[in-house]
Amino acid sequence: AQKITQTQPGMFVQEKEAVTLDCTYDTSDPSYGLFWYKQPSSGEMIFLIYQGSYDQQNATEGRYSLNFQKARKSANLVISASQLGDSAMYFCAMRELNTNAGKSTFGDGTTLTVKP
Amino acid sequence: EPEVTQTPSHQVTQMGQEVILRCVPISNHLYFYWYRQILGQKVEFLVSFYNNEISEKSEIFDDQFSVERPDGSNFTLKIRSTKLEDSAMYFCASSVGDSFNNSPLHFGNGTRLTVT
Repeated sequence: AQKITQTQPGMFVQEKEAVTLDCTYDTSDPSYGLFWYKQPSSGEMIFLIYQGSYDQQNATEGRYSLNFQKARKSANLVISASQLGDSAMYFCAMRELNTNAGKSTFGDGTTLTVKP
Repeated sequence: EPEVTQTPSHQVTQMGQEVILRCVPISNHLYFYWYRQILGQKVEFLVSFYNNEISEKSEIFDDQFSVERPDGSNFTLKIRSTKLEDSAMYFCASSVGDSFNNSPLHFGNGTRLTVT
């Protein structure tokens, strides 16, 4: 079974608007971490934001926030006030602490295009 | 800010040849990883390395692959006899610890391997 599902292959957003990138996950491990990474066209992978399974509050990092709904097993990335430089591929990833310590499993990614 | 460095940025090799991809992880990080990304596709885990030994490996990481930390700084991935399907971007990553708490992967810029 797919452990990380990103159902949006591509998304468009108008500059300065907010956008939500979806991510659902599947695990039986009660201890896990969820990460979002950005991959611009230049190819590097950049860490954006992290959410732990026991965290009570949604994570925020500047314009990035994570809408964590544990019961639904979703961890959507919200980018506020989109900028042209946000155009990139975005990957959701999960690390299970008790079963696969160290290894991160990635979703297929969502390509975000910010329109001027 | 410290970063993971990978060399070379691009490697072209003939099928059946051996290649060594090199990485210098961030100096205070304890966990090292290799991931690969076939063009435009998902990021796939290959292997994790801790305390001078492999801690986990994927099905992709078969006998033709090996990793080594020959000194205190370098971390290498060797592909013994390359195949056409090994063509991909190979990312080295490191993390402070295997705990998911605030321990994201820090990726290098990748080595694009082309097997002809």
